[in-house]
Amino acid sequence: SQTIHQWPATLVQPVGSPLSLECTVEGTSNPNLYWYRQAAGRGLQLLFYSVGIGQISSEVPQNLSASRPQDRQFILSSKKLLLSDSGFYLCAWSGGYTEAFFGQGTRLTVV
Amino acid sequence: TQLLEQSPQFLSIQEGENLTVYCNSSSVFSSLQWYRQEPGEGPVLLVTVVTGGEVKKLKRLTFQFGDARKDSSLHITAAQPGDTGLYLCAGARSGGYNKLIFGAGTRLAVHP
Repeated sequence: SQTIHQWPATLVQPVGSPLSLECTVEGTSNPNLYWYRQAAGRGLQLLFYSVGIGQISSEVPQNLSASRPQDRQFILSSKKLLLSDSGFYLCAWSGGYTEAFFGQGTRLTVV
Repeated sequence: TQLLEQSPQFLSIQEGENLTVYCNSSSVFSSLQWYRQEPGEGPVLLVTVVTGGEVKKLKRLTFQFGDARKDSSLHITAAQPGDTGLYLCAGARSGGYNKLIFGAGTRLAVHP
């Protein structure tokens, strides 16, 4: 069966510091991968998606970037965090069909 | 930008009551999914509806996709405290790499 791992679960970072969130998927190959951000108690906003190694599409302009160095690894990064980058970040995968499956999320607080 | 509007935003009911949550859009989706999310966790998929007019049942939950594939509803019968959570609908566009568009969610609280 397929599983998705996302870490860390919580992170407190000072303004101006770098960020690296990692997500890995097991049990499937060539998945579509996604990074979403969720405001408190609200819906999800798609930040990046990837259909293959090295292929990244950005949905909204922002202070973040994404990379896919391996087939089942998706990384969300920032060189210098802003206060507005605080939020709940979710990684997800899909097999190209309709369903998407989410990781447990990372609560990022920028102070 | 295609939007999915969910209503109501908040719902607080007593155990045993029935409720319906709505998800509406002016755009057509190839499929629509419903998720439930607990605080501090990722959304968990409940159901996917694909065909216009489709109805799916998951125990006490009934999901319906509108005939025109622009809207959907979730009906819960005899709600229980375990149904408490954030319910999210998400639409997928055909040929769109399954980039889901999410509604803002309905926060449901079921009190014993």
